[in-house]
Amino acid sequence: KAGVTQTPRYLIKTRGQQVTLSCSPISGHRSVSWYQQTPGQGLQFLFEYFSETQRNKGNFPGRFSGRQFSNSRSEMNVSTLELGDSALYLCASSPGGTASPTGELFFGEGSRLTVL
Amino acid sequence: DAKTTQPPSMDCAEGRAANLPCNHSTISGNEYVYWYRQIHSQGPQYIIHGLKNNETNEMASLIITEDRKSSTLILPHATLRDTAVYYCIVRVALNNAGNMLTFGGGTRLMVKP
Repeated sequence: KAGVTQTPRYLIKTRGQQVTLSCSPISGHRSVSWYQQTPGQGLQFLFEYFSETQRNKGNFPGRFSGRQFSNSRSEMNVSTLELGDSALYLCASSPGGTASPTGELFFGEGSRLTVL
Repeated sequence: DAKTTQPPSMDCAEGRAANLPCNHSTISGNEYVYWYRQIHSQGPQYIIHGLKNNETNEMASLIITEDRKSSTLILPHATLRDTAVYYCIVRVALNNAGNMLTFGGGTRLMVKP
């Protein structure tokens, strides 16, 4: 069974640009969540999508947005990039329903964004 | 979600058991203890979770004290590949309230030959 796939793995952008990252969850998983990891702040939750609806949102500015498609694939977008947005962006998937209430999260390898 | 306290770093000799402690004195009755680890530059990996009873799987054992205020993750025979940051997270069951995990600083385990 294929794992969580994130693309691109590495990318470089300049300040002011925008970026879109993609995440394909494990087949059958309906929940996708996104995390940002930086050396200073550690792993921080961005948002979670379940069945195309945002279910939870972390404390990030509106420049960070996401969406989920009917096939559960998810994208996150960061507009007007700042130097501090340089980070590893991780996607995690899980079945998401109440059928498995103690389910684990499966993380992808991440997309490493560098903002110059 | 309850907060957790972990030592920032630990060393362990290869082949020996690694015992990673976690304090969660404000844990609620419906909160589970989850352990994840992150090997350098990879995404976090689920290890084990428990509610009240001790748990064991192919990766590790989880010992939860009777009052549930602390727990210990045990890697019975640590290898160099177990070198990673280990995160102890306490929260209600995943999926029932969404899948947000709050990661603290974790414990950086260094397994030495």
